[in-house]
Amino acid sequence: EDQVTQSPEALRLQEGESSSLNCSYTVSGLRGLFWYRQDPGKGPEFLFTLYSAGEEKEKERLKATLTKKESFLHITAPKPEDSATYLCAVQALSGGYNKLIFGAGTRLAVHP
Amino acid sequence: EAQVTQNPRYLITVTGKKLTVTCSQNMNHEYMSWYRQDPGLGLRQIYYSMNVEVTDKGDVPEGYKVSRKEKRNFPLILESPSPNQTSLYFCASSLSPLDLETQYFGPGTRLLVL
Repeated sequence: EDQVTQSPEALRLQEGESSSLNCSYTVSGLRGLFWYRQDPGKGPEFLFTLYSAGEEKEKERLKATLTKKESFLHITAPKPEDSATYLCAVQALSGGYNKLIFGAGTRLAVHP
Repeated sequence: EAQVTQNPRYLITVTGKKLTVTCSQNMNHEYMSWYRQDPGLGLRQIYYSMNVEVTDKGDVPEGYKVSRKEKRNFPLILESPSPNQTSLYFCASSLSPLDLETQYFGPGTRLLVL
């Protein structure tokens, strides 16, 4: 069964304290792995797509990496404005069509 | 500004009272979806639409209906809501199901069914 698991569920960091969020997946026919940011009361906002093992993408303080079984979202020297829920999703060919399978998310709180 | 709009944003209703949540996009996207988000479960797809008059079930379609009469609009209909449909609902659109990098999500509709 296709599955996406994110850990930890919640993470509290001090401003400037770097850390990583994990997204592990079991899926057949992986077509891509997506990271989103979701702020309270808003819809998910696209951050990155990774397509093959070894690929890395960066945006400001965020860097996403991908292996054959998991992805990491590294946050370097986070600021309070990085506080949000980070969602991981895999794009898979399932039942004859492309679908996104989401993890439950990691709630990140960055304190000054 | 490119956007997906949903209405209402918040809704409290009672079991069995039919309701419709509207979704509209201004990006001329072909592909639209509805998701529900529940604590600990992540987003799950309810229905999707490849184009006008073409809709199909996602992972959790029971108790929901959709229609796609116009390209820009994709309403979600709950004919007889039940408490287990209490959730946060998101509409999304993208150029195609293969271009999910272009997918925009709406702001969400929080539904409480008593």
